[in-house]
Amino acid sequence: GAGVSQSPSNKVTEKGKDVELRCDPISGHTALYWYRQSLGQGLEFLIYFQGNSAPDKSGLPSDRFSAERTGGSVSTLTIQRTQQEDSAVYLCASSLFVGGTDTQYFGPGTRLTVL
Amino acid sequence: DAKTTQPNSMESNEEEPVHLPCNHSTISGTDYIHWYRQLPSQGPEYVIHGLTSNVNNRMASLAIAEDRKSSTLILHRATLRDAAVYYCILRDIGGGSNYKLTFGKGTLLTVNP
Repeated sequence: GAGVSQSPSNKVTEKGKDVELRCDPISGHTALYWYRQSLGQGLEFLIYFQGNSAPDKSGLPSDRFSAERTGGSVSTLTIQRTQQEDSAVYLCASSLFVGGTDTQYFGPGTRLTVL
Repeated sequence: DAKTTQPNSMESNEEEPVHLPCNHSTISGTDYIHWYRQLPSQGPEYVIHGLTSNVNNRMASLAIAEDRKSSTLILHRATLRDAAVYYCILRDIGGGSNYKLTFGKGTLLTVNP
């Protein structure tokens, strides 16, 4: 079946502009995650959605970052007033908890470059 | 979160087996051991996971020490496509705040033709 998809695959923007990144999770997966990976660095957790529960936003680096998940499916990560340090690959993952644990399936990521 | 320790890098030859070690001496009884890998310019990819018993799937095998303080990911015949960074991650089955994956630096596997 279809995996996690993300759009756009690449985004170049100017400092100070707002950007929206989209994630389409695997159908039926109740959990959705956003991570980011800066050049040469490990993955950094940003936000987690699980069903209808309030999202865990503890990983968002500043109030310029926000995310929503509409209808328990598609999610949008918004970065306002982008800064150069926001440049990274933004990865989305979805999962379904079965038997006490889950397997996260990652999308290909959106490479964001802030000039 | 319980931490894991992996070698920074390893090298293998094509079509030979590869054993990637992971130490997790502070593992708790409710931690699953997960392995993910990240190929160049791609998102992470699930490889395998286990709790106490050894596990096999189409991609790899996971050997878990009897005391669970270490584990080994086994690629039976390495191919060039297996060149990636391999991450060993502990996941608490109790959920709570441990649903997110905490990636360390992983092991960079180089496969020589």
